[in-house]
Amino acid sequence: SQQGEEDPQALSIQEGENATMNCSYKTSINNLQWYRQNSGRGLVHLILIRSNEREKHSGRLRVTLDTSKKSSSLLITASRAADTASYFCATGEANSGYALNFGKGTSLLVTP
Amino acid sequence: GAVVSQHPSWVICKSGTSVKIECRSLDFQATTMFWYRQFPKQSLMLMATSNEGSKATYEQGVEKDKFLINHASLTLSTLTVTSAHPEDSSFYICSASPPGQQETQYFGPGTRLLVL
Repeated sequence: SQQGEEDPQALSIQEGENATMNCSYKTSINNLQWYRQNSGRGLVHLILIRSNEREKHSGRLRVTLDTSKKSSSLLITASRAADTASYFCATGEANSGYALNFGKGTSLLVTP
Repeated sequence: GAVVSQHPSWVICKSGTSVKIECRSLDFQATTMFWYRQFPKQSLMLMATSNEGSKATYEQGVEKDKFLINHASLTLSTLTVTSAHPEDSSFYICSASPPGQQETQYFGPGTRLLVL
């Protein structure tokens, strides 16, 4: 069942600005992951943060996790037009093996 | 990184026909693969977990007789949509994880199915 909820659903910014997307979930998790999907394509894994971690960085990406609030955020700094895509959070739950539950996604548009 | 392929990338078929979609892990063996479905402008929904050498585990609401899954080898899982109908038109995506990296799933490029 789907449990991640992203917000906002859509985000439009200009190149160079930062983009912040949030994700909330409901159950106990092992980890939370962020994926990127270009229109009509497969998913690209961006970053994984475990339940005992609070923040993680990868290049221009910064992910935070607050297990007390059951929420995560993805920050993309100095955005580029090529960052235009849909971004999904997915949770790996404690009792569901390694299957992922995906949120509804945030559609990001970065204009030059 | 690990590569997962799918074939075909897109398929158009008539209502009532069956369609087989292949998911292959190209450079690693996967005892478990996952099948997801994504409708336009929506998120991915897990359909089933494909287990090598045993029966697939289906999510609630997914008809196992309609969506046949076969995981006959450590590098190949197939999803067959039997007697496809227009409402089965969707984007089907598989994923797999290399041994020792089960937390991270690598996704195939997806198969777009259009049933007329």
